[in-house]
Amino acid sequence: AQSVTQLDSQVPVFEEAPVELRCNYSSSVSVYLFWYVQYPNQGLQLLLKYLSGSTLVKGINGFEAEFNKSQTSFHLRKPSVHISDTAEYFCAVGPSNTGNQFYFGTGTSLTVIP
Amino acid sequence: GAVVSQHPSRVICKSGTSVKIECRSLDFQATTMFWYRQFPKQSLMLMATSNEGSKATYEQGVEKDKFLINHASLTLSTLTVTSAHPEDSSFYICSARVPQTLYGYTFGSGTRLTVV
Repeated sequence: AQSVTQLDSQVPVFEEAPVELRCNYSSSVSVYLFWYVQYPNQGLQLLLKYLSGSTLVKGINGFEAEFNKSQTSFHLRKPSVHISDTAEYFCAVGPSNTGNQFYFGTGTSLTVIP
Repeated sequence: GAVVSQHPSRVICKSGTSVKIECRSLDFQATTMFWYRQFPKQSLMLMATSNEGSKATYEQGVEKDKFLINHASLTLSTLTVTSAHPEDSSFYICSARVPQTLYGYTFGSGTRLTVV
């Protein structure tokens, strides 16, 4: 079985400060890893994904994430946040042996403070 | 890029009535679509997987007769909430797998259902 844990439900951060949103997963099979962003009353937008290759993945809007297999983590980072980054962020895993099913974390609400 | 259009974005209905939500793939053929439900401040929970031309596969605990899914064409999947009750109020999101991609999924913009 697969599961995703987002350790922080809410993260307030001042504008232009760095931020890290934490994500840990558990799985009995190899997984692919994703970060999605959701703005209020909207669907999900893919920020970045790790399928294979370099463990440091760069995404849109200046976000990046690092896959750490030994720690089963996939933390999301941004060196300098903007007001527009205020949103809900979801980490998700997808088992590589099915290619079909997402398991989402409970989300982290990022609030950027002016 | 691949886009899924979801309508309506918001709907308010009376208890006991039915509501239909549509998801349409605009520039690709979606043989498989997924329906998620999201409660306030919570994550997305997969409700069902619909495959074009066949019956949907429902996740455990999801009432098939209450949440009717139809995927009659390669570009359209619908979710009908039948005899809606206030506890069905939620945010519903569809997702489609983009063909010939590895884990390439696109999500609709969601439907906020409020049952009064």
